[in-house]
Amino acid sequence: RKEVEQDPGPFNVPEGATVAFNCTYSNSASQSFFWYRQDCRKEPKLLMSVYSSGNEDGRFTAQLNRASQYISLLIRDSKLSDSATYLCAVSRYGGATNKLIFGTGTLLAVQP
Amino acid sequence: EAGVTQFPSHSVIEKGQTVTLRCDPISGHDNLYWYRRVMGKEIKFLLHFVKESKQDESGMPNNRFLAERTGGTYSTLKVQPAELEDSGVYFCASSTDLYTGELFFGEGSRLTVL
Repeated sequence: RKEVEQDPGPFNVPEGATVAFNCTYSNSASQSFFWYRQDCRKEPKLLMSVYSSGNEDGRFTAQLNRASQYISLLIRDSKLSDSATYLCAVSRYGGATNKLIFGTGTLLAVQP
Repeated sequence: EAGVTQFPSHSVIEKGQTVTLRCDPISGHDNLYWYRRVMGKEIKFLLHFVKESKQDESGMPNNRFLAERTGGTYSTLKVQPAELEDSGVYFCASSTDLYTGELFFGEGSRLTVL
């Protein structure tokens, strides 16, 4: 079983739709949580950090449920420019190191 | 300010050859990471430098991979000899603070081993 699991999609949604992605993680020792966005053949870029209290940035809302070990990302009023792969990542600290564990990503295609 | 830069962007080599990938982190970033994405799989951690010291190389696949960061600035990742399964995209990332700093990724070096 992968440590971080995501539905690979693709999610095909019309412009203006609301879409939600979930991600589950298996290691309860995971300490920080993130959503990254990756455009085709580009590098991952941090979209949002995810906190237990939930956080919102414009049309994007991220939520963390530690008890159930899942992370969610909600995108409202989807734009064509939101089309990308969304990567869930959890951070594992150990001694003097800190590494990200990624899911395989969820592909979002927003249609006109 | 320049971001993380990687070279080459794409390398095509034959099995058994050697390839060296280079990463220039953002200036002042002590933490430097190498990750790899093999087709169809998730991005996986390879190793982590703090300045010139290897803090964690638990993700390195085997001893055909050698990473260095002499002087604590740029880093190189050498694959020798390359095998078919080494094909993928190798990402470098850097950050300032170990625990709270955002990770900035380079565009990656795509390696194709024939």
